[in-house]
Order: sequence, then structure tokens, then C-alpha cells
Amino acid sequence: QVHLVESGGGLVKPGGSLRLSCAASGFNLSDHRMTWFRQSPGKGLEWISSIAYGVTSIIYADSVKGRFTISRDNAKTSLYLQMNSLRAEDTAVYYCARLNWDDFTFDLWGQGTLVTVSS
Amino acid sequence: QSALTQPASVSGSPGQSITFSCTGTTSDVGTYNLVSWYQQHPGKVPKLIIYEGSKRPSGVSLRFSGSKSGNTASLTVSGLQAEDEATYYCCSYGGVTAHVAFGGGTKLTVL
Repeated sequence: QVHLVESGGGLVKPGGSLRLSCAASGFNLSDHRMTWFRQSPGKGLEWISSIAYGVTSIIYADSVKGRFTISRDNAKTSLYLQMNSLRAEDTAVYYCARLNWDDFTFDLWGQGTLVTVSS
Repeated sequence: QSALTQPASVSGSPGQSITFSCTGTTSDVGTYNLVSWYQQHPGKVPKLIIYEGSKRPSGVSLRFSGSKSGNTASLTVSGLQAEDEATYYCCSYGGVTAHVAFGGGTKLTVL
């Protein structure tokens, strides 16, 4: 069975940092582009960042550019999201998702991890 | 990244057919045949229900169908059922620069 499992969420103060992890199982992480989405309470899905097989292609949404860093460790079959300078508006459930580049679909999603930015 | 335009909500009665619209631009929906649709029930993970504009992944009900005309993609749900009540998101490849174009979601209410 293929799975993605996020971890690392929690409560953090404004201006603080947090590192999210996404562990992949049942498939070869190195064969896929990976992404992070988030969903604020009661709001729609927001794409945050994508990373290609290596680190040659990384893209960020304007809302997180300069503050968030996506990375991957194919050997450890994990995806990461380093979040710095967090703001209240970053409060959301964060999902990692596998991107099928052939048809540009997000065909596998994790269950999400909640990040709350509050003083 | 760019945003696709979706109506905030639609409603229908059981058995009816409902069509959702998703309007983009020539930079995304109008150029690429890479529109996908996702269904998300409250508290659940998004589920892919349509890809490449009109294809259904294995296991997705035949009641879901997709199409595209110009810069607008559409999702039709026929024979509405209570279980279809969810939020539906459209997505398109946005080219090298924008990468992902995502809609704000349409909440479907089954009356």
C-alpha cells in the first residue's frame, strides 16, 4: 500500500519556525515530484511548493517565498518543509502530495498535519 | 501561480445533474489539456476524480464527467446523491512560470 504521512505540526508563536516532514512508503519517492499544500480553517486548498526529482526544480507560491524551504531526502524517503518567520495567516492543515507529472495530477495525499501560529 | 475561478457554492436535489464551472486563462486551462478535479469531504483528504479534463481514475463513479471549452473547464455530476455533498476543486497546469493553477473550490449541497 502506498502512503504519505506528515508530521511536525504544532503550536508556534508568530515569528517562529517549524519543520514538517512527510514520510513516503510503498513507492519510490525519488521517482516523483512532490508538493506541499495547505488549507486554512474553513478555506480552500492552497498550493505552496513543488520539488522535482532532485533539487533542480523548486517552485514556491508567492505567499511563502523567502520564508519556506522545501527539500527532500530520497534515501530516507522523506519530504520536508522548513517554515520560518511564521505568521498567523500560516495557520492551516499542511498536506504533502505526490505529483504525477505525466498527467499533472496530485494522485496521493497525506492525512495532513495542523500548524497553529498564535501567541 | 494563478487562480482559477469557481463559483463558491451550488445546490441540487437528489437525482438531478449539476455542472460546476472552472474558468482560467490562455496561460493554463485554455492551453493545456491538464485539468483535474478533486473532491473533498469535510475533514477528509482531497480525492482525484477527473484528470486530463475528462478521464476518470479507476474506481470513480461514472456519474462524474469532465469537459473543457476554451478557457473554461466543467465538471458534471449526474444523478446527485447525498454522498456527493462535498467541495470540488479544479486544477490546471499553469506552465513553466506559474506551475499550478488552483480553483477556490465549489461547495456542493444536496438538498
